[in-house]
Amino acid sequence: GIQVEQSPPDLILQEGANSTLRCNFSDSVNNLQWFHQNPWGQLINLFYIPSGTKQNGRLSATTVATERYSLLYISSSQTTDSGVYFCAVEPYSGGSNYKLTFGKGTLLTVNP
Amino acid sequence: NAGVTQTPKFRVLKTGQSMTLLCAQDMNHEYMYWYRQDPGMGLRLIHYSVGEGTTAKGEVPDGYNVSRLKKQNFLLGLESAAPSQTSVYFCATGRTYEQYFGPGTRLTVT
Repeated sequence: GIQVEQSPPDLILQEGANSTLRCNFSDSVNNLQWFHQNPWGQLINLFYIPSGTKQNGRLSATTVATERYSLLYISSSQTTDSGVYFCAVEPYSGGSNYKLTFGKGTLLTVNP
Repeated sequence: NAGVTQTPKFRVLKTGQSMTLLCAQDMNHEYMYWYRQDPGMGLRLIHYSVGEGTTAKGEVPDGYNVSRLKKQNFLLGLESAAPSQTSVYFCATGRTYEQYFGPGTRLTVT
């Protein structure tokens, strides 16, 4: 099956710093999403981004589908950004059941 | 508008016991999914459903069964729990590409 690798596995920042999280995937994809899991365990959908660039406030994401990677940018980080960031993909096929394969995540800690 | 809810939030089982986890959604989504999350493993798909009355296997289906008798509910069953099934279980729903997750159920099998 498709492989999803996220880097770095862990990241520690001071509040106000910027960061870039990376997701590499091994095959063409229909679907790529970024999720944030907060310290209480809740998973929130950040972006649906199989290609191109999107921005939402301090967060933005870029997927270069031809090179099989996606980047999540966090600017001016805040303590509330702490948690695990997951990249999830669905390999390209003729049809879709919208099934996602998750990477192992990047654990982000933002210190005050 | 509750979104996606899961029942129960926590459960402790003894090896060999059975239980059912309930996922309920009021978002009128066709697709529903059950995942498990283990430390360092990310989320792995157990079973999923593309509509009422349908179910299909995901990546790690062994030891689990599911049913989708009503569009809004997706049940995950463990017939004979094993310690390897200790995990956090998440339900998700979606209409197309984007998935929306419930709060999770923490299950411990002793």
